[in-house]
Amino acid sequence: AQTVTQSQPEMSVQEAETVTLSCTYDTSENNYYLFWYKQPPSRQMILVIRQEAYKQQNATENRFSVNFQKAAKSFSLKISDSQLGDTAMYFCAFMKQEKGNQFYFGTGTSLTVIP
Amino acid sequence: KAGVTQTPRYLIKTRGQQVTLSCSPISGHRSVSWYQQTPGQGLQFLFEYFSETQRNKGNFPGRFSGRQFSNSRSEMNVSTLELGDSALYLCASSFAQSNTGELFFGEGSRLTVL
Repeated sequence: AQTVTQSQPEMSVQEAETVTLSCTYDTSENNYYLFWYKQPPSRQMILVIRQEAYKQQNATENRFSVNFQKAAKSFSLKISDSQLGDTAMYFCAFMKQEKGNQFYFGTGTSLTVIP
Repeated sequence: KAGVTQTPRYLIKTRGQQVTLSCSPISGHRSVSWYQQTPGQGLQFLFEYFSETQRNKGNFPGRFSGRQFSNSRSEMNVSTLELGDSALYLCASSFAQSNTGELFFGEGSRLTVL
């Protein structure tokens, strides 16, 4: 079975600073995908960034980047130049393709950006 | 393009009752999955439907059931409600032929069981 662990239930960061959210996972699969999803307060969840396990290069999307360490089964999210709109719950997710796409989510990290 | 629509957004039920939640996926998306979100537990996978067939099922009791219609709209039903069923129920759709795996979520249906 796959498990995803987010060990930081809550975090805060000053506006314009950088913050890193941690995520580890456990799997015996070799091919899989990893995601970070963002859920703003009272709004729907949206995709932040995606990483294919077979790619060694870390994914980057504007101010968001990941540090993917496959051997260590670690997948952290770095947010640079934090903005007030980054305040949200962030979920790390693992996906494998077996009879469709099977997703496993972590418990989330609540991030607050302080003005 | 309209997003994923979930109805109702909020509902209050009492123990022992049953509830039906509805989800309309993005046009063209044939995969619909359901998640239960509670504080401290994150998102727990309930089930996934593709072309009216349940492909995957999470570890929930039989009180939780679902179905998908020919137009890809999906419903989930919870019978004999318990206090612990209070949660935000999220529906997500995806274009299953794509290997990107991105899920598109609705805003959820918040169920309170009294």
